[in-house]
Amino acid sequence: GAVVSQHPSRVICKSGTSVKIECRSLDFQATTMFWYRQFPKQSLMLMATSNEGSKATYEQGVEKDKFLINHASLTLSTLTVTSAHPEDSSFYICSARVRTSNLNYSGANVLTFGAGSRLTVL
Amino acid sequence: AQSVTQLDSHVSVSEGTPVLLRCNYSSSYSPSLFWYVQHPNKGLQLLLKYTSAATLVKGINGFEAEFKKSETSFHLTKPSAHMSDAAEYFCVVRHPFSGNTPLVFGKGTRLSVIA
Repeated sequence: GAVVSQHPSRVICKSGTSVKIECRSLDFQATTMFWYRQFPKQSLMLMATSNEGSKATYEQGVEKDKFLINHASLTLSTLTVTSAHPEDSSFYICSARVRTSNLNYSGANVLTFGAGSRLTVL
Repeated sequence: AQSVTQLDSHVSVSEGTPVLLRCNYSSSYSPSLFWYVQHPNKGLQLLLKYTSAATLVKGINGFEAEFKKSETSFHLTKPSAHMSDAAEYFCVVRHPFSGNTPLVFGKGTRLSVIA
């Protein structure tokens, strides 16, 4: 089945540093990837939609200069948290849309999620 | 606009007893509906999905959900809970005609299974 690999799974950094999180589709091409953020005991909130070869579309309230998204190839999207602060500590999850022809699923396309990256900013 | 309401933030059941996780949705169209499970420190796994075919949808690990348009509900059930079912469950909705539309998540229901 479709697999999305997300790296690193855990990262601890000092305040003011930048952190890059990678999201790779291992056995399929993902023209669109989504980045979500999950606060403790809360649901996932969409941060941005990443389209290969074009600028990402950010949700309202998400700072695009703070959360840099690059989707340079059909198998890789990166999220860079710039000048991280403790309030940026969170669980970040990416997902990629898999075309139904690539899977045994029938009906609508499904999204496959990465395992997530837990960011802790000290 | 779509929205999802998971009526219980936490459900606790004894091992071997039935599981019911409630979900109501709001959508201008007949949406696609999903249930995802998230185990601690892990990514999301698709349990099942409804896409306007059969209203009773069977998923993995013995879970199933029934789409009831009149009640705008998509409750998740399992006849007999197992310890490994303890996790966070998310009910999710998406517009049916937009393949690139992101998912809208409910707030999640934490399922605890007591031995």
